[in-house]
Amino acid sequence: AQTVTQSQPEMSVQEAETVTLSCTYDTSESDYYLFWYKQPPSRQMILVIRQEAYKQQNATENRFSVNFQKAAKSFSLKISDSQLGDAAMYFCAYRGNKLVFGAGTILRVKS
Amino acid sequence: NAGVTQTPKFQVLKTGQSMTLQCAQDMNHNSMYWYRQDPGMGLRLIYYSASEGTTDKGEVPNGYNVSRLNKREFSLRLESAAPSQTSVYFCASSEAMTINYGYTFGSGTRLTVV
Repeated sequence: AQTVTQSQPEMSVQEAETVTLSCTYDTSESDYYLFWYKQPPSRQMILVIRQEAYKQQNATENRFSVNFQKAAKSFSLKISDSQLGDAAMYFCAYRGNKLVFGAGTILRVKS
Repeated sequence: NAGVTQTPKFQVLKTGQSMTLQCAQDMNHNSMYWYRQDPGMGLRLIYYSASEGTTDKGEVPNGYNVSRLNKREFSLRLESAAPSQTSVYFCASSEAMTINYGYTFGSGTRLTVV
């Protein structure tokens, strides 16, 4: 079975600074997708960024980028120029046959 | 707005009571899912329906039943609620089970069992 590990229960960042959230996963499959979801206090699950395992190039969406290391089974999220609205719970997720989530990282943004 | 609609948004139950969480999607998706979210554990899959007419157990199915009523609707039933079922429940859908299709989530139901 696939597992996803987020080793940082909480992280803090100063507004306008950069923060990196860590994620590792375990799988024997060769074809899969990886995602980062944001969950603000509203509870809504918002897709932040996705990465296809067969693509070497790291995905980027505006201030959000990933560092995908397939051999190491690592998938970290970098948030640049952090904003107050980035404060939320962030989930790393693995998409094989089904979507499997990590435990989440609470990100706090200080003004 | 198109998407996944869950009802109710909040519910308090007494131990032993039963209830059904409703979920409907209007995106013509084939696959639907029920997750529960607990602190420190992320979202865990309870049941899923790959297509209309089929349902399968996920990671934590005990104490729950599901019904795929039609292509749009997928309900989750708690027959005899227990305090351990206090959680936030999410319904999601995807066009298919294959990996290149993303999930769309509902806004969740916060359930408290006292």
